[in-house]
Amino acid sequence: NAGVTQTPKFQVLKTGQSMTLQCAQDMNHEYMSWYRQDPGMGLRLIHYSVGAGITDQGEVPNGYNVSRSTTEDFPLRLLSAAPSQTSVYFCASSRQGKTGELFFGEGSRLTVL
Amino acid sequence: EDKVVQSPLSLVVHEGDTVTLNCSYEVTNFRSLLWYKQEKKAPTFLFMLTSSGIEKKSGRLSSILDKKELFSILNITATQTGDSAIYLCAVPIYNQGGKLIFGQGTELSVKP
Repeated sequence: NAGVTQTPKFQVLKTGQSMTLQCAQDMNHEYMSWYRQDPGMGLRLIHYSVGAGITDQGEVPNGYNVSRSTTEDFPLRLLSAAPSQTSVYFCASSRQGKTGELFFGEGSRLTVL
Repeated sequence: EDKVVQSPLSLVVHEGDTVTLNCSYEVTNFRSLLWYKQEKKAPTFLFMLTSSGIEKKSGRLSSILDKKELFSILNITATQTGDSAIYLCAVPIYNQGGKLIFGQGTELSVKP
């Protein structure tokens, strides 16, 4: 049972580099979202999607890009990495009608030097 | 602005103690509140609360919602070292599928 799969688990970038965090789910969930977690700040929503072809911004979208071409995949792109983007990133999915019951990936720890 | 606030931010107790974690919220069109437990990796779902005064229980964990006073509490009785985790409270934003507002989390440490 794969659930929500995120890659890579760890990544170190230099300031200005770009990268993509991959997220895939095999539960046929309609909703997918990306959160970042920083110490003492809980989880903050970056971007979310209610279905293929539909995305919207969350609380902290600046510096990030997303697309949802299929139900299964929801990649997060860092356009030009900054030290402030050093964080742990979680991808999550949920079923329409049960939007609060998120299933999370195991997280990706990103360090920007 | 929608917000969710948890207290305390951290807590250290000894095995066998009972703890109460707090979550208050100010969210437009409130429908439900959720509790998650986060150990080393990803948060996992504990409870969803939608009605005031109805206690949800799962073993030694229980939670209750007060929609008049806009808060929820999570109780853990007879704590064990395995209860050590970050406990997160979250509120879904109505009609914005998959969008949750999380509190800062309470980091609970249970000492033997």
